Amino acid sequence: RKEVEQDPGPFNVPEGATVAFNCTYSNSASQSFFWYRQDCRKEPKLLMSVYSSGNEDGRFTAQLNRASQYISLLIRDSKLSDSATYLCVGNTGRRALTFGSGTRLQVQP
Amino acid sequence: GAVVSQHPSWVICKSGTSVKIECRSLDFQATTMFWYRQFPKQSLMLMATSNEGSKATYEQGVEKDKFLINHASLTLSTLTVTSAHPEDSSFYICSASDTGGYEQFFGPGTRLTVL
Repeated sequence: RKEVEQDPGPFNVPEGATVAFNCTYSNSASQSFFWYRQDCRKEPKLLMSVYSSGNEDGRFTAQLNRASQYISLLIRDSKLSDSATYLCVGNTGRRALTFGSGTRLQVQP
Repeated sequence: GAVVSQHPSWVICKSGTSVKIECRSLDFQATTMFWYRQFPKQSLMLMATSNEGSKATYEQGVEKDKFLINHASLTLSTLTVTSAHPEDSSFYICSASDTGGYEQFFGPGTRLTVL
C-alpha cells in the first residue's frame, strides 16, 4: 500500500465550480502535511500546509483528520489557472517528504 | 521565499556517459538537500538525502554507486548519474531545507534523456 494515496483524476470542472480532493495516508507517524501544486514539466510548488484545525487561504481550504488519516483540499470558484496536478504530501519528521501520485485538475471555460 | 537553482535544466546524452546535475541554494544555507526522481505520470520518489559534509543516505533500491551525491558546501549539492542508460531518463528534482528544516524549497528540475 502506498504511504500517501490520491485519486489520480482527472477532475474536469467548469470555471467557478467548487472541487474537493481527498488524500489518505498510512503512516500514523506522519507529523505534518502539505498540498503542493505541480504544473506540467515543472517542479512542485507549495500551495499550503495542512493543520488539524483547518487552514484557509483565499479560495483554498485544507483540512486534516488524524483519526481517519485523511487530508482534503477544497478549491472554491475555480479559475482556469487552477488547472494543474495537486500533490498531497506527508512528512514523517525525518525531513524528507513523501508525495502522493497527484490529482489532476482541469478547469474548463 | 528561498531560491534553489538546478543546472542544467535539460540534458540529452548517449548511453554509457556520465551526467552531473548541480543543485544550489542561492540565498540561504542548506544543511540538508534531497534528490527526487519523477517518471512520467508518476509521483516524485525520494532517491537520497544529503547532509553537508557527510555521506548521503540512499533510499532502498537506489544504487549509490550509480547515483553519486556530493554535498561539499552549504549551498551546493551535485548528483552524478554514472554510465547512464535509457531507463535513467527522468525528471530529477532537488530540494533544500535550511537549518530550521520545516519547509523544503524545490529546484526547477533537470530533464535527463539518455539515448
